[in-house]
Amino acid sequence: DQQVKQNSPSLSVQEGRISILNCDYTNSMFDYFLWYKKYPAEGPTFLISISSIKDKNEDGRFTVFLNKSAKHLSLHIVPSQPGDSAVYFCAASVGQTGANNLFFGTGTRLTVIP
Amino acid sequence: NAGVTQTPKFRVLKTGQSMTLLCAQDMNHEYMYWYRQDPGMGLRLIHYSVGEGTTAKGEVPDGYNVSRLKKQNFLLGLESAAPSQTSVYFCASSDITGGEQYFGPGTRLTVT
Repeated sequence: DQQVKQNSPSLSVQEGRISILNCDYTNSMFDYFLWYKKYPAEGPTFLISISSIKDKNEDGRFTVFLNKSAKHLSLHIVPSQPGDSAVYFCAASVGQTGANNLFFGTGTRLTVIP
Repeated sequence: NAGVTQTPKFRVLKTGQSMTLLCAQDMNHEYMYWYRQDPGMGLRLIHYSVGEGTTAKGEVPDGYNVSRLKKQNFLLGLESAAPSQTSVYFCASSDITGGEQYFGPGTRLTVT
């Protein structure tokens, strides 16, 4: 059973606008969440993370929001750029330290239209 | 600093054949992982290692074996390949603080 879900397989956004990617999880033990970005024929690359002690984390154009009661997190990209076009994976783990087994969502393909 | 590298990049096997996928990292990371990615699914953990000489099962370990004889290398073996093992395989590593994992470029394996 998928413990991390990304219900939108794709999203198209105009350049300069906000992109919002959503992720839901079912395991209440998850306390560390990450977003990865993947280009074709490459491995995923780390984008941003958030621990369950926070509800928001920012890094430049990227902000991740965590709503623990709803078991929901979202990634906001502002402003969106054509180079942001990629597949975005949400991932979650129990614990941040040590060998943390990551559970991934199925990904959302973001297309930023120039 | 190459990060995480994987060989080969592509491979086609016949059912029943065996092969080994090699992962190497030059970041002196303690932890290494093997994932598979299938269409419509997220990455799923096959096996992982918390240090040289240690391995552990992940979410989908059946049909695979692994070895970590050197800290920088993590090998994934298929003893008798099956069509269900057609997938893209990713290796990753992370340091002792855990957190983010660094991924290799992937190996696309087709079993006919």
